[in-house]
Amino acid sequence: EAQVTQNPRYLITVTGKKLTVTCSQNMNHEYMSWYRQDPGLGLRQIYYSMNVEVTDKGDVPEGYKVSRKEKRNFPLILESPSPNQTSLYFCASSLSQGRQPQHFGDGTRLSIL
Amino acid sequence: AQSVTQLDSQVPVFEEAPVELRCNYSSSVSVYLFWYVQYPNQGLQLLLKYLSGSTLVESINGFEAEFNKSQTSFHLRKPSVHISDTAEYFCAAINAGGTSYGKLTFGQGTILTVHP
Repeated sequence: EAQVTQNPRYLITVTGKKLTVTCSQNMNHEYMSWYRQDPGLGLRQIYYSMNVEVTDKGDVPEGYKVSRKEKRNFPLILESPSPNQTSLYFCASSLSQGRQPQHFGDGTRLSIL
Repeated sequence: AQSVTQLDSQVPVFEEAPVELRCNYSSSVSVYLFWYVQYPNQGLQLLLKYLSGSTLVESINGFEAEFNKSQTSFHLRKPSVHISDTAEYFCAAINAGGTSYGKLTFGQGTILTVHP
């Protein structure tokens, strides 16, 4: 089954404790992206990757890092999380950037205390 | 698109009533347009898309949207809603040209609540 898998689904942690949210897709998609969803703001892009070893900032990259060492994986790293990063996060992938619709994971709800 | 605006944050309707969820975009280049649906505790699922050709596009579950270039709109409609349509709906636009080709912008979302 074609899917985008995120882990963990839920995480409560404390300020400053490094965390990683994993994302994996099994569709051989070139394009992957991370979004955060906040009430009243819709989804805002954090980082995206057009292919292996190619990553770029989205609209709200501050406080986040990503890597794309393999085509299927695109982890999101919070080196020193802060309470304003409490949010619902989605990973998405598509065949390529452009007119292709994106496939989304089920989301990761992060709470930073 | 520079921006995508969904004009209603919440839309309550009764079952079997018609509904329209409004979406406007602002862009200096042509765009591809999408509607996504998000059910509780799930990710976004593609509902329908406009890439080119006929300005009226339909989904398999009875929704339709019409691309109106002059009004820069892509409103979503359904003639008769079901309880199961209760969800949050997101309009999105992808730049189809220019230096920001492929940039995806989402609207703020509209929560559709269908009452019995």
